[in-house]
Amino acid sequence: GENVEQHPSTLSVQEGDSAVIKCTYSDSASNYFPWYKQELGKGPQLIIDIRSNVGEKKDQRIAVTLNKTAKHFSLHITETQPEDSAVYFCAANPHGQNFVFGPGTRLSVLP
Amino acid sequence: GAGVSQSPSNKVTEKGKDVELRCDPISGHTALYWYRQSLGQGLEFLIYFQGNSAPDKSGLPSDRFSAERTGGSVSTLTIQRTQQEDSAVYLCASSPDRNNYGYTFGSGTRLTVV
Repeated sequence: GENVEQHPSTLSVQEGDSAVIKCTYSDSASNYFPWYKQELGKGPQLIIDIRSNVGEKKDQRIAVTLNKTAKHFSLHITETQPEDSAVYFCAANPHGQNFVFGPGTRLSVLP
Repeated sequence: GAGVSQSPSNKVTEKGKDVELRCDPISGHTALYWYRQSLGQGLEFLIYFQGNSAPDKSGLPSDRFSAERTGGSVSTLTIQRTQQEDSAVYLCASSPDRNNYGYTFGSGTRLTVV
């Protein structure tokens, strides 16, 4: 079955710097890769996703890149702000199967 | 409603008691999922419902856990004879279908077993 690894587990950046979180997956059948942001006391919220027929997707300060050959995808946050501080989860979805989530990355943006 | 609604938001129960957690998904979403998140941990899959099909119960940790979904909408997760290790946040999510769509999560029910 699918296995998703995520690194780093914690990440601290200065406000205004960029943050990058990387995930790898094992099942080449996975074709959809969402990213979730979870703030304290709330449920995870979908912030961006990418499908396997696309290599990169951008939405304002966040972007996701996908390398199908290497089976990894990354979340990029530019010009970080204190409100970006949260736990971020990646996930992979083998077609017809439930999502498999990574273990999460705790991002802290220091003012 | 506009989002996934879960109730109660917090529940404190004594060890050995039964609890019921409710999830009201987004109208029209045929797929519904339950996840468990222990303190500071990731998301543990519990159970999945898709329309009128038999649920995927492969993630339920023991036979004390059960869930049902009535009329293809509201779902109830029941934990019988609660144990302290059941303490966690229980998250419900829904999506238009199983494939190629992100989940919309509720805010969760924080269960504390004392």
